[in-house]
Order: sequence, then structure tokens, then C-alpha cells
Amino acid sequence: SQQGEEDPQALSIQEGENATMNCSYKTSINNLQWYRQNSGRGLVHLILIRSNEREKHSGRLRVTLDTSKKSSSLLITASRAADTASYFCFHPYNNNDMRFGAGTRLTVKP
Amino acid sequence: DSGVTQTPKHLITATGQRVTLRCSPRSGDLSVYWYQQSLDQGLQFLIQYYNGEERAKGNILERFSAQQFPDLHSELNLSSLELGDSALYFCASSVGTETYEQYFGPGTRLTVT
Repeated sequence: SQQGEEDPQALSIQEGENATMNCSYKTSINNLQWYRQNSGRGLVHLILIRSNEREKHSGRLRVTLDTSKKSSSLLITASRAADTASYFCFHPYNNNDMRFGAGTRLTVKP
Repeated sequence: DSGVTQTPKHLITATGQRVTLRCSPRSGDLSVYWYQQSLDQGLQFLIQYYNGEERAKGNILERFSAQQFPDLHSELNLSSLELGDSALYFCASSVGTETYEQYFGPGTRLTVT
């Protein structure tokens, strides 16, 4: 099974709205990372939150981490059409398990 | 531009053939990762090298092999190709081990006919 499970699988919103996607995991983590992938392109690292952090911001991105619930959320505020992409979480604990989830496919309509 | 380069960009070959994909990591990065992405399987981790040594293995088939050279570039060898091997193959690099952010190359699109 996938270690990082993103939810929802797909999300469609209007430009200007906020988009929230969630990630759940099963093991202890060192950190949790969010990546974006535009169709057919390589993944782009967005943000890394360490296990001892609860919230982190980067521009219009806000990431939270709840280690007690083994979950994280990515909030994109004031979304733009250019935010249309797939978003993945990745949370390495050790080198024995490095998998990306299936991702959330975000569509932002102009 | 992530600083990771992959060649070739596209590759079309026939079943049963063997191909080699090449990856040059970002300057200073010691880890190289290989991933396979197909429509029905998502992004699958294949293998990781760190400073020339194999560090982790994922869903890599026995027909596939990889290595990292002293100059830290890496090659992924795919042999006895099957139609199902058609996919995007990504290389990524990071400065340290898997707890560091990864920088992805543009990918090699492999089509097996």
C-alpha cells in the first residue's frame, strides 16, 4: 500500500478560492515534504516540514503537520490557474520505504 | 530548471531491446533516485544511490539495473523491454540522504512498441 495517501484524489475550484489537500501516513517520520507536478513534467519540491514543527508557510502555501494523527494538510490560498497540477506528499522515515502517494489532482478554473 | 539533467528526452524502442537512461545530478548532490511513472501505476520508486553506493531499493524489476559512477552521474539500464515498461522515468537528486528535498529532472519518456 502507498505510504502517503493524499485526499481528495481530485479537486476542482475557481480561481481565487482556497484549495486544501490532505496527506495521511502510517509510520513515524523525520519530515514531510510536498511536491507539485505539472502534467508530464518532473516533480517540484514545494515545502518541507520537520516532525517537530506544526505549521509552515511559504508564499501562498501553508502546511500543517499533526504527528498525533499522522496527517498533514497543504493549503493553497487565492489559487490561480497556474496552480493546476498534481500534488504529492512524501515522508521519508528511513531508506526502507520511500514512496509517493497517488497525489491530489487540482484543477483551478479561470 | 532543477539542475538535474536527463538524457535522452524521448526513446522509442522495440520489445526485447535494451536501453540506457542517463542522469546528471545537481552539482554537490550525492544522492540519486530513479522513479518510474505510468498512468496506471503512479510514481514508483525504483532505486537510490548515495555517493556511489546503492542505498535503497524499491519496486525495481530484475530486468532493470542501475549504477552511480565516481563523478556521481547515474545510469538506469532496462533490458528485455516489454510493452508495460513504457513510462516516464525520472531521476532526482538530493544533497544528502532521503530526508532531504529531492530535485527532479525533466524525465525520459520511454515508448516500447
